[in-house]
Amino acid sequence: QSALTQPRSVSGSPGQSVTISCTGTSSDVGGYNYVSWYQQHPGKAPKLMIYDVSKRPSGVPDRFSGSKSGNTASLTISGLQAEDEADYYCCSYAGSYTFYVVFGGGTKLTVL
Amino acid sequence: QLQLQESGPGLVKPSETLSLTCTVSGGSISSSSYYWGWIRQPPGKGLEWIGSIYYSGSTYYNPSLKSRVTISVDTSKNQFSLKLSSVTAADTAVYYCARRLKWFDPWGQGTLVTVSS
Repeated sequence: QSALTQPRSVSGSPGQSVTISCTGTSSDVGGYNYVSWYQQHPGKAPKLMIYDVSKRPSGVPDRFSGSKSGNTASLTISGLQAEDEADYYCCSYAGSYTFYVVFGGGTKLTVL
Repeated sequence: QLQLQESGPGLVKPSETLSLTCTVSGGSISSSSYYWGWIRQPPGKGLEWIGSIYYSGSTYYNPSLKSRVTISVDTSKNQFSLKLSSVTAADTAVYYCARRLKWFDPWGQGTLVTVSS
């Protein structure tokens, strides 16, 4: 069970869009539509931003969107704002028998 | 509004057992739709799933930690607990509890556990 692969860092200017990728295998990302994304500010607990690949919990701005193609999931943040600067983690369900969960290594988003 | 709160010692000696409890408020831990999970984050590093439990007691553990982890539930207290045995410095981390479907939400605020003599 290996961690999902995310870029270490991405950056963008206010108002721009950025996309964070999350690559797994057919046993996790590619096998189930159960990818979730979390935002974590320094010293804070992670916050759910996207679940079931592309669904947004109540209260999450529609600037945040998720998608998946094959073994790679993506989080896109449009209209970047300063408060979007944070670490982002993807997560995937990884097995109906084992009920495993696997996280990505995290991506640091810098708003320039 | 559902809230989770971790509690337990912030310092554990090497080779001993780390014990944490997560208290759930604003909802019942016996809700049939949800599992409850533990996740940890070493300082400056990423998130690692430790394991999950259903209110009936069914458990699922990360294979890399399975030999050392026990998660239990106490429905009468609306709590679930984590025990991690034979700890080393590598187990130093912020430990989070969270409600789980196929995603984790909400999360507790986290508690830092340091393994040191």
